[in-house]
Amino acid sequence: GQNIDQPTEMTATEGAIVQINCTYQTSGFNGLFWYQQHAGEAPTFLSYNVLDGLEEKGRFSSFLSRSKGYSYLLLKELQMKDSASYLCAATTDRGSTLGRLYFGRGTQLTVWP
Amino acid sequence: DAGVIQSPRHEVTEMGQEVTLRCKPISGHDYLFWYRQTMMRGLELLIYFNNNVPIDDSGMPEDRFSAKMPNASFSTLKIQPSEPRDSAVYFCASSLISRLVTDTQYFGPGTRLTVL
Repeated sequence: GQNIDQPTEMTATEGAIVQINCTYQTSGFNGLFWYQQHAGEAPTFLSYNVLDGLEEKGRFSSFLSRSKGYSYLLLKELQMKDSASYLCAATTDRGSTLGRLYFGRGTQLTVWP
Repeated sequence: DAGVIQSPRHEVTEMGQEVTLRCKPISGHDYLFWYRQTMMRGLELLIYFNNNVPIDDSGMPEDRFSAKMPNASFSTLKIQPSEPRDSAVYFCASSLISRLVTDTQYFGPGTRLTVL
């Protein structure tokens, strides 16, 4: 089976740093996606990790540890517009589930002024 | 590129009526996914296609739901008859799978369905 866990809610203050964790138990794990979803909108792609380590993209960074089944999304210099749901999703190796993403329930981040 | 296109954006219908949701994937993409999102259950995969062929429909709730992809540029999700518990946001997403490109899924804007 596939199991993706992430916290339901987090809050932080504008200008701060927040880390959103995701743990996964995925047969044939291949890579880990992070998506951002603002209220009333569609999920949009943020990052993709397939190798261990940190990938940095401006204020956002994503980390993966394949041996620990763990990833996190790091958001720096938080802005009000970062208030959104952040979805973690795993892909599997090229087999019968090719192309499919297994999504977590999402972490609702609220940024306060 | 126009991105994934879905129609209608909003649909309000009465219980028992047939509902048809439409999706146009990004040109050149070979995978198409239908998702349903609710507060209670999060984002659920209903069915997905590869080169117009259904690969996995195990997420389709019951026989009232059906999906087709007659060609590479169009797919429909039909609910007949609809029930209030079908009220949700339905997303269509597409992706391109190859050895050179990651399997990022791009989502359409969604159809917000309300069944009264």
